[in-house]
Amino acid sequence: KQEVTQIPAALSVPEGENLVLNCSFTDSAIYNLQWFRQDPGKGLTSLLLIQSSQREQTSGRLNASLDKSSGRSTLYIAASQPGDSATYLCAVTSYNTDKLIFGTGTRLQVFP
Amino acid sequence: EAQVTQNPRYLITVTGKKLTVTCSQNMNHEYMSWYRQDPGLGLRQIYYSMNVEVTDKGDVPEGYKVSRKEKRNFPLILESPSPNQTSLYFCASRGQGGPYEQYFGPGTRLTVT
Repeated sequence: KQEVTQIPAALSVPEGENLVLNCSFTDSAIYNLQWFRQDPGKGLTSLLLIQSSQREQTSGRLNASLDKSSGRSTLYIAASQPGDSATYLCAVTSYNTDKLIFGTGTRLQVFP
Repeated sequence: EAQVTQNPRYLITVTGKKLTVTCSQNMNHEYMSWYRQDPGLGLRQIYYSMNVEVTDKGDVPEGYKVSRKEKRNFPLILESPSPNQTSLYFCASRGQGGPYEQYFGPGTRLTVT
């Protein structure tokens, strides 16, 4: 059974720092991995999607990497800003399923 | 604009009073699904649908029903809501081909008293 773990559960950093969020999964037979952002009480915003054949994806200050064989992904946020404060979720889609298996998230706070 | 919409966004109801949360997508996606999000448990899939008239249970289907009569709509039905169904609900959709990116609605916060 696929399980997704995110470390750390919470992170508080000063503005301007570069930071790394970690995601690990137990079954490497995945189709893709998605990183989402969720603001308190709000919906999910898709940040990056990495297909199983890819090693990384970039969007602006965000870079996500995928090491499928070791069951790990990292989300790198460069030059963090207070507006980056949110919960970041990673989720994997296993082959031949529609189901996303989510981690429990990393709650990020960036203070001025 | 490509989007998934849900209604209502907020709902407070009483135990046993049937309710329906609607979900609609305008991307002609075949796959649609419902998730619930609870503190400490994360997001879990309730039901999913691979196409019109094709639905199947997810991880936590008890107490819920769904239907898929049209491709764009996937309502979630609570026939007799109970307090343990108080949660934040999300509808999602994706296309049939790769890369299987899922798009989420804005969420429906349901409180059952």
